[in-house]
Amino acid sequence: DIQMTQSPSTLSASVGDRVTITCRASQSISIWLAWYQQKPGKAPKLLIYKASGLESGVPSRFSGSGSGTEFTLTISSLQPDDFATYYCQEYESYPDFTFGGGTKVEIK
Amino acid sequence: QVTLKESGPVLVKPTETLTLTCTVSGFSLSNGEMGVSWIRQPPGKALEWLAHIFPNDRRSYSTSLKIRLTISKDTSKSQVVLTMTNMDPLDTAIYYCARTRPGGIPNAFDIWGQGTVVTVSS
Repeated sequence: DIQMTQSPSTLSASVGDRVTITCRASQSISIWLAWYQQKPGKAPKLLIYKASGLESGVPSRFSGSGSGTEFTLTISSLQPDDFATYYCQEYESYPDFTFGGGTKVEIK
Repeated sequence: QVTLKESGPVLVKPTETLTLTCTVSGFSLSNGEMGVSWIRQPPGKALEWLAHIFPNDRRSYSTSLKIRLTISKDTSKSQVVLTMTNMDPLDTAIYYCARTRPGGIPNAFDIWGQGTVVTVSS
């Protein structure tokens, strides 16, 4: 099974900061990677698909990059609404799926 | 508007079988590219994928939980059902259903249900 490792597990940042979260796959997953945002008590929300595709309605300050085994999610200028937990998810092994362990973005 | 909504018991006893239902609207379970998965999240922990069903009724299961899971669908009722046998307190979690986004296979989950809380306790 493919393992997905996110870093850091927690990130403290201020409004306006540029934030980068990394996700590493245990083997190549090409570009079959998604990023989700989850707020407390809510279901995850799709932000990025196919490593860099911006889901409809998602602000352009979110961007994704990478291929193979290393991927990043970048928030260009952190907004108050962005404090949340972020998960990566591989779907190269579709219809099996694996999520990363999550990165909590906290207020500094 | 595409929606998914989970339903099922809030509390189950250890060793019992859990049955959860995901009722969908705004898309068809019998055609197209969009399948439905069940995903769970224990309190304070990460998301864990459980099972997936395709429009053609093909099914896939988490390797670690395969022997305990069954996913099925009733197209006429627009429902996807997950059963999990031999429930344990470690299965306490929020259980979500989610749809894979249209636009090709493979794909990510674009629409999620609100989740249903399941507690396993005697």
